[in-house]
Amino acid sequence: DAGVIQSPRHEVTEMGQEVTLRCKPISGHNSLFWYRQTMMRGLELLIYFNNNVPIDDSGMPEDRFSAKMPNASFSTLKIQPSEPRDSAVYFCASSGLRTGGEETQYFGPGTRLLVL
Amino acid sequence: GESVGLHLPTLSVQEGDNSIINCAYSNSASDYFIWYKQESGKGPQFIIDIRSNMDKRQGQRVTVLLNKTVKHLSLQIAATQPGDSAVYFCAAHYGQNFVFGPGTRLSVLP
Repeated sequence: DAGVIQSPRHEVTEMGQEVTLRCKPISGHNSLFWYRQTMMRGLELLIYFNNNVPIDDSGMPEDRFSAKMPNASFSTLKIQPSEPRDSAVYFCASSGLRTGGEETQYFGPGTRLLVL
Repeated sequence: GESVGLHLPTLSVQEGDNSIINCAYSNSASDYFIWYKQESGKGPQFIIDIRSNMDKRQGQRVTVLLNKTVKHLSLQIAATQPGDSAVYFCAAHYGQNFVFGPGTRLSVLP
């Protein structure tokens, strides 16, 4: 399996622009998570889906952030309008059972976002 | 809810020595714990896990210890190598979610 795939890997945009981050989870995984990582705040959970349904979006900073999961193999995180304080690394993770083990999260490589 | 914290944000060890990274959690209902390693420019990677009905689990050069009485877990790395330099996160499984600690940056000195 290719693992969790995220695109783009890097994004530089200007304040006020719309940003869309994309994620393809590992096939067969039922849960998908979006995280934001910064030096100041560490790893923060933004939202997670189970079977394509949003379960907990309490971590979404404000209405400028939205996430969708139209099917089991694709999710988007959108920021509109973007602000400089949104600059961070955004990770997508999916969870599934390890061989002979427990449910575990597998992270994508992240999207490094810089809002100027 | 659940909150997870680590005792030290940074740790420096000599190559070849053993490393111990600590983590505390708040909710006794957390049933499963994971240690992740994050190298620069990459996403967190699974290292080892432990269920709440265990107190110790060993992997290759790594051991996780769980003390449910004081809600504490630790990651021990034997014979630390330069390739072990990274940020280490513990995560507690609570409900349907994973709650991550702030991370400890491990530096291996030559």
